[in-house]
Amino acid sequence: QLRLQESGPGLVKPSETLSVTCTVSGDAINNYYWSWIRQPPGKGLEWIGYVYYSGSTHYNPSLKSRVTISVDRSRDQFSLKLNSVTAADTAVYYCVRHRYGLSWFDPWGPGTLVTVSS
Amino acid sequence: EIVLTQSPGTLSLSPGERAALSCRASQSVSATYLAWYQQRPGRAPRLLIYSASNRAAGIPDRFSGSGSGTDFTLTISRLEPEDFAVYYCQQYVSTPFTFGPGTKVDI
Repeated sequence: QLRLQESGPGLVKPSETLSVTCTVSGDAINNYYWSWIRQPPGKGLEWIGYVYYSGSTHYNPSLKSRVTISVDRSRDQFSLKLNSVTAADTAVYYCVRHRYGLSWFDPWGPGTLVTVSS
Repeated sequence: EIVLTQSPGTLSLSPGERAALSCRASQSVSATYLAWYQQRPGRAPRLLIYSASNRAAGIPDRFSGSGSGTDFTLTISRLEPEDFAVYYCQQYVSTPFTFGPGTKVDI
């Protein structure tokens, strides 16, 4: 059974870079797409972008200038970096799998809360 | 970007009642590219329905989805206590993938 687990710093200072990693277990990272989605406290869901197992990426234009998503197949992990963060980037960050480029998201990791504060 | 609108914002019902949740898209997403998720407090969303009407693995048959084009409905035939949660629709016909603002089903 596929399991996803996010790990992150918990707290990031404004203007710094947020880094979160998702570890995939129970299935190969190959042949799938992997996305990051975030949810500010008490608010809705925002898709950030995806990486294909081959390394190709696609980002939400609203965040594209600040986002990098990468994959490490040797470690069955993929990662999100978001630079120049502000308080508006405070959110629970979820990693998800999708079978195709245009596909539903399943499963989801439990999420990790990242707070941006000095 | 495709904008999804969900109504009502909150649905107050009792266990055993039927719930009908609406999702409307700003442009056609066809029936193939619409999903529904359930989010319980403090938990990650989980997939309920994909391609507008297909239940995900392990989802009870009291959940059903319908619709096409721009108008979609999630129906819960008889509410169980664990169904009181927030429900989101999502389109994946084009990027950026977008979600509706959610409908909260509460007692």
